[in-house]
Amino acid sequence: EAGVTQFPSHSVIEKGQTVTLRCDPISGHDNLYWYRRVMGKEIKFLLHFVKESKQDESGMPNNRFLAERTGGTYSTLKVQPAELEDSGVYFCASSQRQTYSYEQYFGPGTRLTVT
Amino acid sequence: GEDVEQSLFLSVREGDSSVINCTYTDSSSTYLYWYKQEPGAGLQLLTYIFSNMDMKQDQRLTVLLNKKDKHLSLRIADTQTGDSAIYFCAERESGNTPLVFGKGTRLSVIA
Repeated sequence: EAGVTQFPSHSVIEKGQTVTLRCDPISGHDNLYWYRRVMGKEIKFLLHFVKESKQDESGMPNNRFLAERTGGTYSTLKVQPAELEDSGVYFCASSQRQTYSYEQYFGPGTRLTVT
Repeated sequence: GEDVEQSLFLSVREGDSSVINCTYTDSSSTYLYWYKQEPGAGLQLLTYIFSNMDMKQDQRLTVLLNKKDKHLSLRIADTQTGDSAIYFCAERESGNTPLVFGKGTRLSVIA
């Protein structure tokens, strides 16, 4: 079974540019989460999809961030325009709804560097 | 708000036991987790414990939970160089709510 995949693995962009990150969850997983780790700090929650619906987007830092999950499959996270403080590693995770522990499976992350 | 604290660094000799500690503030935490991140890799779930348990053992890993003190620890017996990684403590309140992570403890194993 394929795990959670993320693309690209690394992106370097200039301040003011736009970047789109993609996450492909494990097939059949209804829950999809985005998290971010800024250098040396905690991994922080950004938002949670259940299928194609946003269940919780309380962690989105501001309206420069837009997440979508069309058709309830893969998800994209767009940052427009990017700022220096957006640099960090963006993780995606997915989980089934049926497992008791709701274990979240994480992707390898996308390292975003804004210069 | 919810907060999870962990020490940032730990260095141990190969073959010794490692103990990584974590404290959390949310008294309604139901699930507590330990994740491992190796260089260039994603987060790998090592183990988890429910709040109604006080200990869980899985091969070389032992998790201890003191719910009164809101303290969680991960003990790795016979630590190997392959255990060198960042270990994240995380908690969540209920089934599909988001995880709240600590900053991670970087474990260095000296041969």
